[in-house]
Amino acid sequence: GQQLNQSPQSMFIQEGEDVSMICTSSSIFNTWLWYKQEPGEGPVLLIALYKAGELTSNGRLTAQFGITRKDSFLNISASIPSDVGIYFCAGQLLVTGNQFYFGTGTSLTVIP
Amino acid sequence: EAGVAQSPRYKIIEKRQSVAFWCNPISGHATLYWYQQILGQGPKLLIQFQNNGVVDDSQLPKDRFSAERLKGVDSTLKIQPAKLEDSAVYLCASSLAGGSYGYTFGSGTRLTVV
Repeated sequence: GQQLNQSPQSMFIQEGEDVSMICTSSSIFNTWLWYKQEPGEGPVLLIALYKAGELTSNGRLTAQFGITRKDSFLNISASIPSDVGIYFCAGQLLVTGNQFYFGTGTSLTVIP
Repeated sequence: EAGVAQSPRYKIIEKRQSVAFWCNPISGHATLYWYQQILGQGPKLLIQFQNNGVVDDSQLPKDRFSAERLKGVDSTLKIQPAKLEDSAVYLCASSLAGGSYGYTFGSGTRLTVV
């Protein structure tokens, strides 16, 4: 399967700080999704990106589809305690089918 | 709208036993997916259905895993016999045909094989 690497693996931040994370791959994707997963629950879709260079926001979250189509970025501004969770990127390949491959995840802890 | 329903939420079995998981997708969603999520990893696709047909089962360990979606609605995933390394959360997801707008996941079934 495809390898999507997320960085950083984990983050511990103070409430109110901004957060940035990245998802990279050696393959070209035509769609990027960002999900958040809380303990004991399935992932919940946050943002979807469909064009290279696209910048999309959802409240305090902003994600970008990388120009190379091999990466994507997620930013969270002014973090709050409920932002705690694991953030996964998911990419859909340009060529084959509609399966989404998931990244390794970034675990976010927000310290009040 | 009602979400993706999965049951049971938790299951503990001994190795070599069999187990089955059930999923009821969002009404009208033609595509159904089963993912395996091992602790500390991202979800990995096991099988994808379009209505009641299999689209992709290339990563399903077919010697022990099977899945069906007989009437194009709910689905069952079975493991027989289970191994220790099958301990994971099994997530079901559904989407409108194509899935490019993302999937909706259920809460998952946490399987522990001892």
